Amino acid sequence: GAVVSQHPSWVICKSGTSVKIECRSLDFQATTMFWYRQFPKQSLMLMATSNEGSKATYEQGVEKDKFLINHASLTLSTLTVTSAHPEDSSFYICSASPDRAKNIQYFGAGTRLSVL
Amino acid sequence: QKEVEQNSGPLSVPEGAIASLNCTYSDRGSQSFFWYRQYSGKSPELIMFIYSNGDKEDGRFTAQLNKASQYVSLLIRDSQPSDSATYLCAVNNYGQNFVFGPGTRLSVLP
Repeated sequence: GAVVSQHPSWVICKSGTSVKIECRSLDFQATTMFWYRQFPKQSLMLMATSNEGSKATYEQGVEKDKFLINHASLTLSTLTVTSAHPEDSSFYICSASPDRAKNIQYFGAGTRLSVL
Repeated sequence: QKEVEQNSGPLSVPEGAIASLNCTYSDRGSQSFFWYRQYSGKSPELIMFIYSNGDKEDGRFTAQLNKASQYVSLLIRDSQPSDSATYLCAVNNYGQNFVFGPGTRLSVLP
């Protein structure tokens, strides 16, 4: 149980284009999902907390207009990187928690984004 | 600011030995503690979580929590080369977001 699917696993795009990443909880409902970014040899950096049916909560320094998050249902959250630039190249990972109180987070496989 | 600290390593142990990974945290109100394993280029995988003081064992893994000292550790018995990875400690207060440590890189030498 507690499987989180993330798609795509790898994407290459041109500078200025937008990329959408999907995160799905396959066997549980997640009222809250999380989006992280990880640069090489660094730890996870929380970008935003995605709540079903409401606006995402962004961490300080994360541009909400650049990283659009939509949590349309209890099993799906999407992250859209708008007008991507080479500095946005990173490993993006989502996670979901079946129990907000205990907050055990299960991670998707991650999406490696390369912006040319 | 809530902080979680780990020795970045690398921690090298011979195959079959016990690997000991340590983590300290600053928020005394923290309630739950997690250890994740992350292989290079992959996303984190949950190994164990612990809520109460003391030890919790699962197979070759033992998590140890001491809230008074604000310290949590992970012991890996009979270490295998496949255990070579970065181990992330994560801490949170119920209902709040995780705070991740920087990770400890473990290398198990055959």
